[in-house]
Formats: sequence, structure tokens, C-alpha cells
Amino acid sequence: DAKTTQPNSMESNEEEPVHLPCNHSTISGTDYIHWYRQLPSQGPEYVIHGLTSNVNNRMASLAIAEDRKSSTLILHRATLRDAAVYYCILRVGFSGNTPLVFGKGTRLSVIA
Amino acid sequence: GAVVSQHPSWVICKSGTSVKIECRSLDFQATTMFWYRQFPKQSLMLMATSNEGSKATYEQGVEKDKFLINHASLTLSTLTVTSAHPEDSSFYICSARDSGRSYNEQFFGPGTRLTVL
Repeated sequence: DAKTTQPNSMESNEEEPVHLPCNHSTISGTDYIHWYRQLPSQGPEYVIHGLTSNVNNRMASLAIAEDRKSSTLILHRATLRDAAVYYCILRVGFSGNTPLVFGKGTRLSVIA
Repeated sequence: GAVVSQHPSWVICKSGTSVKIECRSLDFQATTMFWYRQFPKQSLMLMATSNEGSKATYEQGVEKDKFLINHASLTLSTLTVTSAHPEDSSFYICSARDSGRSYNEQFFGPGTRLTVL
């Protein structure tokens, strides 16, 4: 799977939007962009995924650059419960049994 | 829906003993499960891919004789850490793919914290 680059850490004030960037300059045409997050002492949980178009769900929005070499996870109003490590992961294809390979992720701190 | 459970949630054992960790998909069938290990302040590291009814596929550097994986049913995979030593102390996380869904989303268990004294 292609490699992603994320900032080690970010900080946000509560109730404010958060933009978490991810660079994936070597992305291939069949790579899907996935975001997962891991709260302290828990297993990761799915946040959102996309291929080319921007995506929205109840948790977040995913903005994908036109050249697909970068993407941004947007939390519209950060809460204290959003403090977690956010992982941007590329994986080939939509289905199949390839596992998620985790990088270092971005540790998001939310300040009350 | 799509809940994955792990048992136990934490375990403390003496060096040299074996520890079994269970991973269950509660409301879906999973032909494939994955086992990860996470050391403090580090990311998840994939250990192995577990396929129902066949042998697991281990990642490079993971000793298959030390980390025994059994996936005997579509809802249960077990990881046995044999002859555990303090360096095996870690957070072990399993995940499963819902075989009935077209999208390959992985659902993760809550993790098992192993401490070897």
C-alpha cells in the first residue's frame, strides 16, 4: 500500500472545526483513502473513506484534492470525545481481504 | 451492528505461561480476521491474517510457533501467546471483515492488554 504522511500532533479548541491533513503523493488509481481513529486504550474505529469525490457522513467530512495526492479529514465541531489518534490509510480496491496497514497517525488534542 | 469483542480485556501472567485471547464477531460472519499488536506510544502493527478453516498468514518477523492463531468458525478467532515473556507485553487488537458486505470495512475489537511479569 502507498505511504501516507501526517503531522504527528495537532491541537484544537472545543467546538471549533478541525482540519487533519494527509499527504499521499504516491497514491495509485485504485487506492481508496480511509480514515480511522483510535481513542485511548481502545481499538480503532472507522471514520470515513473515499476514492475521488468529497464525502460526508455523520462523523466527519473528507475532502480529496483533485490530483488525489492529498486529503483532509474535517471534524466540523471538535468535542473532547474527539481526542484520539487519527490514521489516514490507503488501501487498494473496495473489497477483498487486504488488511489495513497503520502509519503513525496524528494525535489530536482538544482543549476545553 | 458489526461488533467485535475480545476476551479477556486484560490479563496478567507469569513468564513462561501461555495466554489465549479470543476474538468474536458478534453479529456478522467473518471469513477473515486480523491480529495486530500495539506497544505504548506506537502505532498498530499487523501480526497475521486469520482465515476461517485454513492456516493463518503471518507477517515477516512474527514467530508463528509463538503466536498460534486458530480460526475455527466464522465468528471466532483465537490468538495464543505461548511461553510468554515480558517483551510480549503489549496491547493486542483483532479486527474482522464482514463477509456479507461489499465494502471492505474492518471492524476492530476493544483490545486485550497483556502484561507478562
